[in-house]
Amino acid sequence: GAGVSQTPSNKVTEKGKYVELRCDPISGHTALYWYRQSLGQGPEFLIYFQGTGAADDSGLPNDRFFAVRPEGSVSTLKIQRTERGDSAVYLCASSPQGGAGGPATQYFGPGTRLLVL
Amino acid sequence: EDKVVQSPLSLVVHEGDTVTLNCSYEVTNFRSLLWYKQEKKAPTFLFMLTSSGIEKKSGRLSSILDKKELFSILNITATQTGDSAVYLCAVELLDDKIIFGKGTRLHILP
Repeated sequence: GAGVSQTPSNKVTEKGKYVELRCDPISGHTALYWYRQSLGQGPEFLIYFQGTGAADDSGLPNDRFFAVRPEGSVSTLKIQRTERGDSAVYLCASSPQGGAGGPATQYFGPGTRLLVL
Repeated sequence: EDKVVQSPLSLVVHEGDTVTLNCSYEVTNFRSLLWYKQEKKAPTFLFMLTSSGIEKKSGRLSSILDKKELFSILNITATQTGDSAVYLCAVELLDDKIIFGKGTRLHILP
């Protein structure tokens, strides 16, 4: 595809429910990042994948958050027992390289706006 | 703790004015500094800076990095209403993590 896509674009759920947010990176991009952006704030790093493995998950706020990228392409961010404070825009970005490959541009998806009632 | 601080947080100017947005950082293991423009949802890439003193330019936008003083500026000359957006500064670390500032919300009045 032409760019990073994310689905759904909007998600409204009730407190305590489980949600899955999907990210389709640009084809061939090995690195994939998840960010959370609250109103008036910059994107906050959550987790970074290099291929299929989570290279750095230090930004996940607690064990209710989990992300997978089983085939090194599409990634799913999973949030269990959602809380109102989880409401935010969840952004995904992909990059053609990372690690020893040096600096590389991240391309962002349009994000998923999550609202927990 | 790694941090990126942007100033001002918001700015309102008239069309045609020149603006300078500031970004300072305190991080370990710096790799590059990035500027993004965010209008609705997805930030769009503007510049990547890795070396001090070398200006990057794209049309009316330009940016420069000072690795000694740990800051960068983004200049926009002859501003237009379409420049209205949030401008995000971010620092990429050697472990590939990216730390964002809170952004500068720029509003251009016609």
